Amino acid sequence: NAGVTQTPKFRVLKTGQSMTLLCAQDMNHEYMYWYRQDPGMGLRLIHYSVGEGTTAKGEVPDGYNVSRLKKQNFLLGLESAAPSQTSVYFCASSEEPYEQYFGPGTRLTVT
Amino acid sequence: EDQVTQSPEALRLQEGESSSLNCSYTVSGLRGLFWYRQDPGKGPEFLFTLYSAGEEKEKERLKATLTKKESFLHITAPKPEDSATYLCAVQAVKFDSNYQLIWGAGTKLIIKP
Repeated sequence: NAGVTQTPKFRVLKTGQSMTLLCAQDMNHEYMYWYRQDPGMGLRLIHYSVGEGTTAKGEVPDGYNVSRLKKQNFLLGLESAAPSQTSVYFCASSEEPYEQYFGPGTRLTVT
Repeated sequence: EDQVTQSPEALRLQEGESSSLNCSYTVSGLRGLFWYRQDPGKGPEFLFTLYSAGEEKEKERLKATLTKKESFLHITAPKPEDSATYLCAVQAVKFDSNYQLIWGAGTKLIIKP
């Protein structure tokens, strides 16, 4: 099992550009999450999904959109990137809303 | 306001020197408390879940304990490979966001040989 995978691993964007981060899990988990991690701060939840076709806002949803068209995939989109979105992005999944299993992360820099 | 605070921010120990990391929390109702380990450049790795005061969990050199206000991660006779950032997260009982974890900023543990 690969667990949770994320693509790409690194990306540099210019302000105003758009991109999509892909998360895939092979554990048949119902719940999936997108977090951002910034130095000196705890992980912050951007959006989450409790099943295929569902999404919900987390703590810091502004500037991001998500979609969960297939159970195993959870996409995070940035429509118009801003320097404040420079961060490390983690995807996670869980069978129930308890123990979460994380991917390796995507390091995004917006210049 | 729900909050999780971890201390110290960083801890340097000699190999074999036991110590404890602290996670204090204030939430309206605790559903669960989670400990994760994060290595540089990687995602957090799940370690333990604690649900009620008095509960303890162990894994190799690590033992997690829980009270009504805080959790401790005890590290006994650590080895250099235990070096990592240890994250604590709390899940509060809420009507509108049962799935949201509140994360601490982590404790960076360095074990010197």
